[in-house]
Amino acid sequence: DVKVTQSSRYLVKRTGEKVFLECVQDMDHENMFWYRQDPGLGLRLIYFSYDVKMKEKGDIPEGYSVSREKKERFSLILESASTNQTSMYLCASSPGNRGNEKLFFGSGTQLSVL
Amino acid sequence: QQQVKQSPQSLIVQKGGISIINCAYENTAFDYFPWYQQFPGKGPALLIAIRPDVSEKKEGRFTISFNKSAKQFSLHIMDSQPGDSATYFCAASMNSNSGYALNFGKGTSLLVTP
Repeated sequence: DVKVTQSSRYLVKRTGEKVFLECVQDMDHENMFWYRQDPGLGLRLIYFSYDVKMKEKGDIPEGYSVSREKKERFSLILESASTNQTSMYLCASSPGNRGNEKLFFGSGTQLSVL
Repeated sequence: QQQVKQSPQSLIVQKGGISIINCAYENTAFDYFPWYQQFPGKGPALLIAIRPDVSEKKEGRFTISFNKSAKQFSLHIMDSQPGDSATYFCAASMNSNSGYALNFGKGTSLLVTP
């Protein structure tokens, strides 16, 4: 089974801190994604990557950056955390080719910014 | 801007009943329409998906109905069971040179009562 592992289940940070959320997948998938999930707003795409060192902005990239130095690892960075970034963050991966678009999600990181 | 509109926000169905969740989209370039199921504390998982070349797809008790001209698709859960209680997300994506990313609806919280 594909495994997508997010480094922390719960994280509490202070306003202004730099925050790193790490995600690792073990199935050699081309595509990796970061979504944010908020009640009543569903899943919103922050960034995605379709290859090592390649990235594309999603719908809500402001305040975030990403890094993909190795194929299996995709990091989400909050340069200066703010309270409105308190949310559930979900990482996902997929094989990437047409006909194989299934996303595999991690269990999420609940981030609280105080 | 939400590219996929989902309704209702919440749904209560009796055991054995039919659960129906609807989604609508605007972008005619979308060519892949999946439904994801999410249980509390878990990431979403693919339930069933359809492409616009067919009008219906059935997998067990779950059916997607797709209306290309109306730009709508829906999930039907027949003989709903308490174990189906979860949040359901519809989504849509299109293939592009830089890969693809799923655009999700806001989700429907389904409760199936005994």
